[in-house]
Amino acid sequence: NAGVTQTPKFQVLKTGQSMTLQCAQDMNHEYMSWYRQDPGMGLRLIHYSVGAGITDQGEVPNGYNVSRSTTEDFPLRLLSAAPSQTSVYFCASSYSPGQGQYFGPGTRLTVT
Amino acid sequence: QQQVKQSPQSLIVQKGGISIINCAYENTAFDYFPWYQQFPGKGPALLIAIRPDVSEKKEGRFTISFNKSAKQFSLHIMDSQPGDSATYFCAASTNNAGKSTFGDGTTLTVKP
Repeated sequence: NAGVTQTPKFQVLKTGQSMTLQCAQDMNHEYMSWYRQDPGMGLRLIHYSVGAGITDQGEVPNGYNVSRSTTEDFPLRLLSAAPSQTSVYFCASSYSPGQGQYFGPGTRLTVT
Repeated sequence: QQQVKQSPQSLIVQKGGISIINCAYENTAFDYFPWYQQFPGKGPALLIAIRPDVSEKKEGRFTISFNKSAKQFSLHIMDSQPGDSATYFCAASTNNAGKSTFGDGTTLTVKP
């Protein structure tokens, strides 16, 4: 049982490049979410999904896209990277929004 | 509008002392209140959680106190140890909202 896995662990992008952050869970959780963590700003919700085929925006969705074609996977796409997207990104999952979440190890992204 | 306010931002406690972190929420629909612990370079990990039908929950040295009328809850760490040094996040959620709201975090340092 690997829990929540994220790839890559580190990534450097140039402004304007696009990329996909991968997230997978093997716990059959319906609820998955993406957060970004910046110093002094806690965890901010980017997008979330309550099940396959259903996604919704969090508090900071601009510049990011998500899709949920399977229960296991919830990739986060950066369409055109900007320096303001330099952050640590965490994926999380749980059985439902009203239960504790399991977090992945994070992806540290730098945009130059 | 910040729905969960956490204090203090940082806390220094001597080994063996009691660490107390407080959170206040606004949305009375919240019905699940977890605390997460995060070590540097790692993802947050669920530490302990409470629902509003009880006023206190204890797990080892960690206790959540919940005051529904004041819309406040707190984390108490008894006999604090240097290994407890980490960042702690409170959160609040409800299944109907589809997402969790996090506090900004408290950095705890336990001095030996």
